[in-house]
Amino acid sequence: EAGVTQFPSHSVIEKGQTVTLRCDPISGHDNLYWYRRVMGKEIKFLLHFVKESKQDESGMPNNRFLAERTGGTYSTLKVQPAELEDSGVYFCASSRLHYSGNTIYFGEGSWLTVV
Amino acid sequence: TQLLEQSPQFLSIQEGENLTVYCNSSSVFSSLQWYRQEPGEGPVLLVTVVTGGEVKKLKRLTFQFGDARKDSSLHITAAQPGDTGLYLCAGEGEIQGAQKLVFGQGTRLTINP
Repeated sequence: EAGVTQFPSHSVIEKGQTVTLRCDPISGHDNLYWYRRVMGKEIKFLLHFVKESKQDESGMPNNRFLAERTGGTYSTLKVQPAELEDSGVYFCASSRLHYSGNTIYFGEGSWLTVV
Repeated sequence: TQLLEQSPQFLSIQEGENLTVYCNSSSVFSSLQWYRQEPGEGPVLLVTVVTGGEVKKLKRLTFQFGDARKDSSLHITAAQPGDTGLYLCAGEGEIQGAQKLVFGQGTRLTINP
């Protein structure tokens, strides 16, 4: 079974540019999450999809961030325009729909550097 | 806002020694998860504790959930170089199943041969 796949693994962009991160969850996982870790801080929740619906987007920092999950499969997280403070590692995670001790699987992360 | 204070942030000990990592909060969590993260990879779940006072063992690792479900500890016995890595605690909010995790800052553990 393939794990959670994220692309790109690394991205360096200039302030003001746009970046789109992609996440392919494990097949059959209806829950999809985005988290991020900025330098020196803890991993923080951004948002949660159940299938194609946004269940919780309380962690999205501002309206420069837009997440989509069309068709309930892969998800994209777009940052437009990027700011210096957006630099960090963006993790995607997925799990099965019904939580009964189901494991959350994390991807390897997308490292974003804004210069 | 729920916060998890994890300590110590860095720990370097000799092979064979014991160690304990702590996660503390003023908030109640429905579950507490411990992860290990290797360089270039995402966090990998080690264990989930759900019941107050629960103790789980994973070989030389012992995980405990506080009675009030506000704190947790990870104890490693006879540490080995292979235990080196970043250990993260993460609490799940009051509603189990929501899976919105609150992470501690992590403990970077180094076991010296």
